[in-house]
Amino acid sequence: DTGVSQNPRHKITKRGQNVTFRCDPISEHNRLYWYRQTLGQGPEFLTYFQNEAQLEKSRLLSDRFSAERPKGSFSTLEIQRTEQGDSAMYLCASSLPSGVYTGELFFGEGSRLTVL
Amino acid sequence: GQSLEQPSEVTAVEGAIVQINCTYQTSGFYGLSWYQQHDGGAPTFLSYNALDGLEETGRFSSFLSRSDSYGYLLLQELQMKDSASYFCAVPRGAAGNKLTFGGGTRVLVKP
Repeated sequence: DTGVSQNPRHKITKRGQNVTFRCDPISEHNRLYWYRQTLGQGPEFLTYFQNEAQLEKSRLLSDRFSAERPKGSFSTLEIQRTEQGDSAMYLCASSLPSGVYTGELFFGEGSRLTVL
Repeated sequence: GQSLEQPSEVTAVEGAIVQINCTYQTSGFYGLSWYQQHDGGAPTFLSYNALDGLEETGRFSSFLSRSDSYGYLLLQELQMKDSASYFCAVPRGAAGNKLTFGGGTRVLVKP
């Protein structure tokens, strides 16, 4: 299967610890997105990359959050000094190259974070 | 800013038809998308409307009225496997697929 892959699928951590999530997008997709989803809500946009460039960051993305996509392939999302409010599903998505707009994002199955 | 409103929950029986409405407010409009998400699963793309009218894909259809800032997803011949959450979404700008999602409509299909 060559879909969007995320790991770890589940992470339980104690408040104050750092966590890192990885996303491997579909190989020919140059755009990569991070979303956060809490129970019963729709996904909320966090940030997106075109190739290795981070082009937009949501106000939801506090200074404790950092995302990278060093070679324009996989991406990491790091949360430092986690808080209980960070508990959520972190979804990664990728899409076709810019200029081809179809309204379609391809999502991974997410990384669920629980902060104790 | 952008906002999308959709009902929180709909219940129907197998074989029935369900319509999920979505009203939106955006500073610019570039299309309306619909996604399905089963519990614990990834959101998956269902449809996209850029122009007014009805788009049909099998048992699912999506409608858009840009003048009314309104769209709906129609689920026909409901099956148990259609029990899921359904989200409408609009792009955050003209470039790319950065989407803002509605809060989702949970559809429960009963036998």
